This record gives sequence, structure tokens and C-alpha cells, in this order.
Amino acid sequence: AQSVTQLGSHVSVSEGALVLLRCNYSSSVPPYLFWYVQYPNQGLQLLLKYTSAATLVKGINGFEAEFKKSETSFHLTKPSAHMSDAAEYFCAVSDASGGSYIPTFGRGTSLIVHP
Amino acid sequence: NAGVMQNPRHLVRRRGQEARLRCSPMKGHSHVYWYRQLPEEGLKFMVYLQKENIIDESGMPKERFSAEFPKEGPSILRIQQVVRGDSAAYFCASSLGVTSTDTQYFGPGTRLTVL
Repeated sequence: AQSVTQLGSHVSVSEGALVLLRCNYSSSVPPYLFWYVQYPNQGLQLLLKYTSAATLVKGINGFEAEFKKSETSFHLTKPSAHMSDAAEYFCAVSDASGGSYIPTFGRGTSLIVHP
Repeated sequence: NAGVMQNPRHLVRRRGQEARLRCSPMKGHSHVYWYRQLPEEGLKFMVYLQKENIIDESGMPKERFSAEFPKEGPSILRIQQVVRGDSAAYFCASSLGVTSTDTQYFGPGTRLTVL
């Protein structure tokens, strides 16, 4: 069975500050991990994904995430927040334990960026 | 190359009516997934289909909900005799395959409101 926990339903940062969105996962087999972003009234867009290659994954819009097996974490970071980063962010995990790679999503973290 | 298309974007129904949600996958994609998003919650998997086949419907409510993906035309998610609790955003995603490296691409969603 797989599951995802996103710590903090809301994260508030100032423009230019570091963004850190936390994600911890549970998986009985090696996982594949994703971060998606959802802007208001839109669908989800893939930011980045980890598929067992490099543990530090770089995505679009300056975001990156690091897979830490010992901590079962896949936190999302960005060095400097921009107003346009304000959105809902979802972490997801998938593995083949259920016979397919259908991802399980976390509850989401709303990123608020103050000017 | 058009992305995943969903229509309608907004749908209002009265209790007891039927709701039909349509999803056209990305060109070349034969795998379709439906998710439901309730306020303040993440995406919950409902059903996974390939052309003319339901592969996994473990997330689908047992009654009133059905899905199809015919040989020709879009995938349809059908909700009969809607109730207020069905009010949610319904997202469709498609993928080229179902391996660990395949990415799901999401549509903009259909927001269903049941009065």
C-alpha cells in the first residue's frame, strides 16, 4: 500500500524567500514520486518526477525536489518565491504494488506568496 | 498537439438528475483515468480505463457511478440520480502507457454543482 502525507495545508512566504513544501511517503516497494501544481480552476500540471535515477530532481519554474530514502521524504523547494508561484501543490507516489502505477495523491499544500 | 480536453467545464444539476462528464485524451493516449477532488482534499482515484475496457474501478462508488471509454469518441463518466455530496471537481488524465516512467496529463476538470 502507498500513501502520502503533506505537512501543512497552507504555507505562506514572502516574495523572494525560500519555498519549502514537505512531503513524506509510505511505500512497500521502491516508489516513484511526483509533484504537481494546480492553479485556480485549472487541472494539475506536472512539476517534476523521481523515477529512481538522480535523487535530486529539477523541474520546471525553478523548482526541485530531493528524494531521501532514509527519511521517506520528497520535499519540494525553490530558492526564491515569485508571486506567480501562488497555487496548490500536490505530492503523489506510485508503485507497482497494486498491479499498476496509478498514483496516490496527498491532500495538497496551498502556497501563498506575499509581496 | 491539444492536451486533455474535458467538457463541460461547469455543470449544474438538481438532485435526482443525471450528470455526464466527457474526456478526450491527448492524441495517441489510450489510457484514461478519472479522479474526484473534494474541497480541501487531494485527488481521489475513481477508475482507470483503456479503449473499451475498465481496468481498475476500485475507487468508484458502487452505485450510481459508471464510466466508459468506447472505441470511438471520448471517455464518459456518468453519475445517475445525483446528490449534493457529488458536488466536486472531476478530473480526467491520460497517459501513453502504464509503466513507471509514464506521466499522467490532466485535463482542466469539470466542476459539478448539485443543487
